[in-house]
This record gives sequence, structure tokens and C-alpha cells, in this order.
Amino acid sequence: EDQVTQSPEALRLQEGESSSLNCSYTVSGLRGLFWYRQDPGKGPEFLFTLYSAGEEKEKERLKATLTKKESFLHITAPKPEDSATYLCAVQFTGATNKLIFGTGTLLAVQP
Amino acid sequence: DGGITQSPKYLFRKEGQNVTLSCEQNLNHDAMYWYRQDPGQGLRLIYYSQIVNDFQKGDIAEGYSVSREKKESFPLTVTSAQKNPTAFYLCASSIGAGGTPYEQYFGPGTRLTVT
Repeated sequence: EDQVTQSPEALRLQEGESSSLNCSYTVSGLRGLFWYRQDPGKGPEFLFTLYSAGEEKEKERLKATLTKKESFLHITAPKPEDSATYLCAVQFTGATNKLIFGTGTLLAVQP
Repeated sequence: DGGITQSPKYLFRKEGQNVTLSCEQNLNHDAMYWYRQDPGQGLRLIYYSQIVNDFQKGDIAEGYSVSREKKESFPLTVTSAQKNPTAFYLCASSIGAGGTPYEQYFGPGTRLTVT
């Protein structure tokens, strides 16, 4: 069964304390992996798309990487405004633009 | 500004009533989607449409209906047949569907409460 698992479920960091969020997937054929940020009560905001193993994308303090079985979202020197839920989604072969979402990682950055 | 609008932000209904959630986009995207988000669960696909006058069921379509009469609009009706309608509903759109995996852009959501 195609599945996306995110860990940890929740993460509390001190401002400036770098860390990584994990998204592992078991799909029959990966076509694309997406990272989103979601603030409470709002819709997800698109961050990155990764297509193949070895690919990396960066935006400010965030860097997303992809291997054959998982993706990491690295957060360098986080600030309180980085606090949010980070969602991972996967599109797999044979599913026209259908995404499978993980349950997210709730990140809290303390000042 | 281009984007996706959903209205209303909050919606309250009595059990047994049908309710329609609005979704409009001015991004000129061909594909539109409806998701449902519940606490502790990932977003689940209700319906999607790749082109005007065509739509397909997602994973949890029972108790819902949609229409796509215009490219920019994709309303969702939550019918009385939906057993557990209280949830946060998200509309999304993408440039296309099929071929290249396009990122989906989301609206602000509608929180529906049925009592």
C-alpha cells in the first residue's frame, strides 16, 4: 500500500537550534515529493518539489533533500516565525496528480 | 493578486441539511481539487477535476458532490448523506494534471461544523 510517514509528530526547538524533519514513503513509483508549511487555521503553503533522488532545494533557512526512500527538511538556525506544521506529500506513478499526504510534523521554535 | 478564495471561512449547519462550499481561483489553472483535513490525519482527497465539465472521485467521495461549469470555480456540496461532515475543507488548484507532477496551491480553507 502506498504510504507516507512523517516523523517526529512534534518537535520543539530553541531559536537557533538546527534540526531535520523526516518524510519516508513507500510508493510503487515516485513522480514527485512536495513539502508544504501550514499555519493554524490556514491552508498549506507550497515550499518545494523534489523529483529524483539526490535532488536538493533551498529557501531561506529551509533545505529539502530526497533519497530513494525518504526526504528530509533541514531547518538551519530556526526562528520563532518558522513555527508551523510541515506537511509532506507524494505523487506516485499511475495517479494523475493525486497526492498522498503525511500527517505532518508540528514544529515549535522557542525564543 | 492571483490566488484561491474559499468562502465562507466558518460555516455552521444543522444535521440533515445540505451545504455548498465555494472555491474560486484566478490562476488560470486547469485542475482543481477538494480535500478534507481532520485532526491527526493527512489531507484526504474528496474530488478532483482536470478540466471543465469533468471530475473524478477521490478516496472519500461518498456523501459529497461537485460541479465544474467554469474553469475558475469548483463548488463542493456536502450532503446529508455524509456521516461525519464536521471538518476543515481545503480547495486546491494546479496548472495541469497528468504528465509532470505539478505542485498544488491551496486556498485558506472552510471550517464546517454540523450539529
